[in-house]
Amino acid sequence: AQSVTQPDIHITVSEGASLELRCNYSYGATPYLFWYVQSPGQGLQLLLKYFSGDTLVQGIKGFEAEFKRSQSSFNLRKPSVHWSDAAEYFCAVGAGVVDNNNDMRFGAGTRLTVKP
Amino acid sequence: KAGVTQTPRYLIKTRGQQVTLSCSPISGHRSVSWYQQTPGQGLQFLFEYFSETQRNKGNFPGRFSGRQFSNSRSEMNVSTLELGDSALYLCASSPPRGPSTDTQYFGPGTRLTVL
Repeated sequence: AQSVTQPDIHITVSEGASLELRCNYSYGATPYLFWYVQSPGQGLQLLLKYFSGDTLVQGIKGFEAEFKRSQSSFNLRKPSVHWSDAAEYFCAVGAGVVDNNNDMRFGAGTRLTVKP
Repeated sequence: KAGVTQTPRYLIKTRGQQVTLSCSPISGHRSVSWYQQTPGQGLQFLFEYFSETQRNKGNFPGRFSGRQFSNSRSEMNVSTLELGDSALYLCASSPPRGPSTDTQYFGPGTRLTVL
């Protein structure tokens, strides 16, 4: 089964600084990869996803992520962080059509704090 | 298009009671998945329903069950509630098989508190 590791539990960055959130996955086949964001007490909002093709994917709110098969990574980046980006970020891997189910596995999440 | 809706948003129950949570997927979506989110265990997959059939199940006790109706709406039921069942329960729906398959769209969740 697939699994995800987010090594950083909590990250603090200054507003306007760049951001990189790390995600490593484990899955035998080509993974379906996702980043979601969750504000306190809310559901998860999809930021971006990777299924195939171009390894650099663009998402909403100025986020991008790069799939690196050799490193089993799918790190999320943003060139300039805004105070409204403070939230919890989840990386997820899905088995997709290979396993014919929607069993999505999530990382433990990275909480982002933005300093003024 | 309306998003995934979950009712109720908040619920308080006592130990031993049972509870039913409801989820209405995005129109046209036939797959509905349920997750439990707690501070200690994070996001854990409960089960997935597709066309009224449970297609996949996570590692939860039999007290947790679900079903899906012909209009794709889904309910999950937890019987004999325990304190540890206090959590945010999230529902997600996925579009039919196609280029965007397996992308899950989440509802706002139901916050269950067991006293």
